[in-house]
Amino acid sequence: QKEVEQDPGPLSVPEGAIVSLNCTYSNSAFQYFMWYRQYSRKGPELLMYTYSSGNKEDGRFTAQVDKSSKYISLFIRDSQPSDSATYLCAMREGGSEKLVFGKGMKLTVNP
Amino acid sequence: DGGITQSPKYLFRKEGQNVTLSCEQNLNHDAMYWYRQDPGQGLRLIYYSQIVNDFQKGDIAEGYSVSREKKESFPLTVTSAQKNPTAFYLCASSNTPGGAQETQYFGPGTRLLVL
Repeated sequence: QKEVEQDPGPLSVPEGAIVSLNCTYSNSAFQYFMWYRQYSRKGPELLMYTYSSGNKEDGRFTAQVDKSSKYISLFIRDSQPSDSATYLCAMREGGSEKLVFGKGMKLTVNP
Repeated sequence: DGGITQSPKYLFRKEGQNVTLSCEQNLNHDAMYWYRQDPGQGLRLIYYSQIVNDFQKGDIAEGYSVSREKKESFPLTVTSAQKNPTAFYLCASSNTPGGAQETQYFGPGTRLLVL
């Protein structure tokens, strides 16, 4: 079993839809959880950063972490064509600088 | 303008040739990283460095080498020993490596192709 599992998709939704992206993990020592957005042929950019369990909201984006289920989610409300990108989850143990990434989910939002 | 620059954007390698990818940051970050991204594989860590003149192997270091002579620079050499070098290479840097607020910021990437 891989440390981090992420459905690679692709996922296609109409503009305005609510999008849910998810990752599961097996390492209970992970404490810090991130979502990166990567446009085609570009470097990833940090979208959300959360510590331990709970929710974090930033505009149309909400990140959720459920450590008991080893499950993290990213919700995008009122999705826009500009949200079309690959979304990567990443996580690390406390005190470690090494990130472990999911494979990335390609999202297309159709106008 | 603070950020991470990578050059070149595209790089072509001939069989048996070593090539070097450049990564420079002006964020005053201590730590720097090199990742390889293949389709459907996600990002895999090649090498990382927490301070000048020190670096550690990541998960897929074979066939690669690095140096960290300056805080701002972390070049990656893809040697002829790397038999499957075609990939998208990403450099990242972070402040307070391993700390509670540590986050990694990525450069725009270099696409390496084999002729």
